[in-house]
Amino acid sequence: AQSVTQLDSHVSVSEGTPVLLRCNYSSSYSPSLFWYVQHPNKGLQLLLKYTSAATLVKGINGFEAEFKKSETSFHLTKPSAHMSDAAEYFCVVRSGGYNKLIFGAGTRLAVHP
Amino acid sequence: GAVVSQHPSRVICKSGTSVKIECRSLDFQATTMFWYRQFPKQSLMLMATSNEGSKATYEQGVEKDKFLINHASLTLSTLTVTSAHPEDSSFYICSAMGAPSTDTQYFGPGTRLTVL
Repeated sequence: AQSVTQLDSHVSVSEGTPVLLRCNYSSSYSPSLFWYVQHPNKGLQLLLKYTSAATLVKGINGFEAEFKKSETSFHLTKPSAHMSDAAEYFCVVRSGGYNKLIFGAGTRLAVHP
Repeated sequence: GAVVSQHPSRVICKSGTSVKIECRSLDFQATTMFWYRQFPKQSLMLMATSNEGSKATYEQGVEKDKFLINHASLTLSTLTVTSAHPEDSSFYICSAMGAPSTDTQYFGPGTRLTVL
């Protein structure tokens, strides 16, 4: 069965410093992985997705993630945090041939001046 | 592109009444729609999956008779919470999937349901 573990429930960074949100997955075969962001009172927005193509995936707003099979990880990074990046981030795995998404517990990112 | 709307954004109802929540794909045809529930400070839990014109498939532990799902067209799905009780209070989120990106779910903004 597929699952995802987000290793940090809260991450706090200063504006202009790098962001690292960690995610490990469990899957019996090659997974499809996603990162979504949820701003308060707004819908979830897709940041990026990995579907067995390039292992380094670039997304919107300067975010990127690297799929590392040997480490079963799909960490989300951004070189320089912006105040508008403060939100809840979800790492998500798609369940095999089905379209069911399995969400991690989420990581709340705080960005302070 | 790929915009999904939900209506209403917030609803307050009395215990024992029914509430209908609409989910619409505005600029694409959604062959599949999903309904999720999110408790405060928690992750999203899939409730059910619906394909246009077919009966919804419910996840284990979700009461079919309590959470009625209809997906009558390629742009509209509805979730009706029947005989609502305070424990049904939650944030309900829909997502939709369809051409041209059939491997990505696009999410609505959610509906906050409060049952008094």
